[in-house]
Amino acid sequence: AQSVTQPDIHITVSEGASLELRCNYSYGATPYLFWYVQSPGQGLQLLLKYFSGDTLVQGIKGFEAEFKRSQSSFNLRKPSVHWSDAAEYFCAVGQPSGTYKYIFGTGTRLKVLA
Amino acid sequence: DVKVTQSSRYLVKRTGEKVFLECVQDMDHENMFWYRQDPGLGLRLIYFSYDVKMKEKGDIPEGYSVSREKKERFSLILESASTNQTSMYLCASSPRGVSGANVLTFGAGSRLTVL
Repeated sequence: AQSVTQPDIHITVSEGASLELRCNYSYGATPYLFWYVQSPGQGLQLLLKYFSGDTLVQGIKGFEAEFKRSQSSFNLRKPSVHWSDAAEYFCAVGQPSGTYKYIFGTGTRLKVLA
Repeated sequence: DVKVTQSSRYLVKRTGEKVFLECVQDMDHENMFWYRQDPGLGLRLIYFSYDVKMKEKGDIPEGYSVSREKKERFSLILESASTNQTSMYLCASSPRGVSGANVLTFGAGSRLTVL
């Protein structure tokens, strides 16, 4: 069955430190891949997406993600975290198979220490 | 700049009450979605609509129904609320576009507590 795994439920980093959030997916073909961020009390906002082409994609707020087909991964990175990055991050897969269903990971909650 | 509006941010209802959650989008999107968000479970799709009066069940439709009489409005209905429906409900919309490739635009969510 298709699935998205975010192995880290919580991550704490210091402001200015680098960040990597992990995402692994299980799908027969290369799906469409997304990262969304949810700030406290808000809905989800798109950070970046990958459909094809260059495997390193840039998003908003200084985030980037790298698609690695061999590892079925789409990890999110940021070189220097800001206190305002504290939020919950969701990896999601869109299935290019005639369905409009998306599969979301369970989320990683990021805490940033001043 | 608000694009997907959920009319109620917080609701408290009693067991057995009928509950309506309303969602309106102003982007002329064909697709609209209702998700349920619970800690440790991520987002789970309740219902999806790809056109007016059209709907498809998602992964957890039991206990819920939906209505889409106008393109911009998608309502989630709990016919008889139960305590296990206490949750955060997120509405989203997307253009029709390519299946699976559309970016979802989310509302701010409706937090429902059923006592």
